[in-house]
Amino acid sequence: DAKTTQPTSMDCAEGRAANLPCNHSTISGNEYVYWYRQIHSQGPQYIIHGLKNNETNEMASLIITEDRKSSTLILPHATLRDTAVYYCIVDLTGANSKLTFGKGITLSVRP
Amino acid sequence: GAVVSQHPSWVICKSGTSVKIECRSLDFQATTMFWYRQFPKQSLMLMATSNEGSKATYEQGVEKDKFLINHASLTLSTLTVTSAHPEDSSFYICSASSGRYGYTFGSGTRLTVV
Repeated sequence: DAKTTQPTSMDCAEGRAANLPCNHSTISGNEYVYWYRQIHSQGPQYIIHGLKNNETNEMASLIITEDRKSSTLILPHATLRDTAVYYCIVDLTGANSKLTFGKGITLSVRP
Repeated sequence: GAVVSQHPSWVICKSGTSVKIECRSLDFQATTMFWYRQFPKQSLMLMATSNEGSKATYEQGVEKDKFLINHASLTLSTLTVTSAHPEDSSFYICSASSGRYGYTFGSGTRLTVV
């Protein structure tokens, strides 16, 4: 079973920031938070991951609460091409890890 | 970044035949690869973990004799759907751990069994 809960869907206007929430209240101390997205009929694409510090890369920012029970993925300036299903996953790294996908959140970016 | 190539991107086969799907890590070595299946409007379901040089580990409910996995080298894993039936029609996706980039996924294979 997936260890995360996400809203089913959300939308935002093109050019605005998209804030995608994720709850992972049972996360253990050595589990990372991963975000992937899947555009229709394609394989998932890695976005970002983090352990406890906030992370930023060219695609997005990841904000993890201090108790690590929730996180938010921020797409600073959403475009129409960001319309996709976004998956928040918690997992170990290394030999014991395997990504288990929940239902994800469908983000629709409107013109 | 890390790239995983999956081939073919789509295939149509007759019921009762077998189909092989290839998954290659192009610029990194992957001792472990993963195979997923995704039905329409559903999430990805992990089928099995493919380990280089050893037997694959299958998730509960996945028939190992039907979905044959071979991981003969550090850059190639194959999934063979044997005696395919229409209910096996699905989107099959592989992934590999690419270190810094987390897990990299292939582009998927759309299998249609007629």
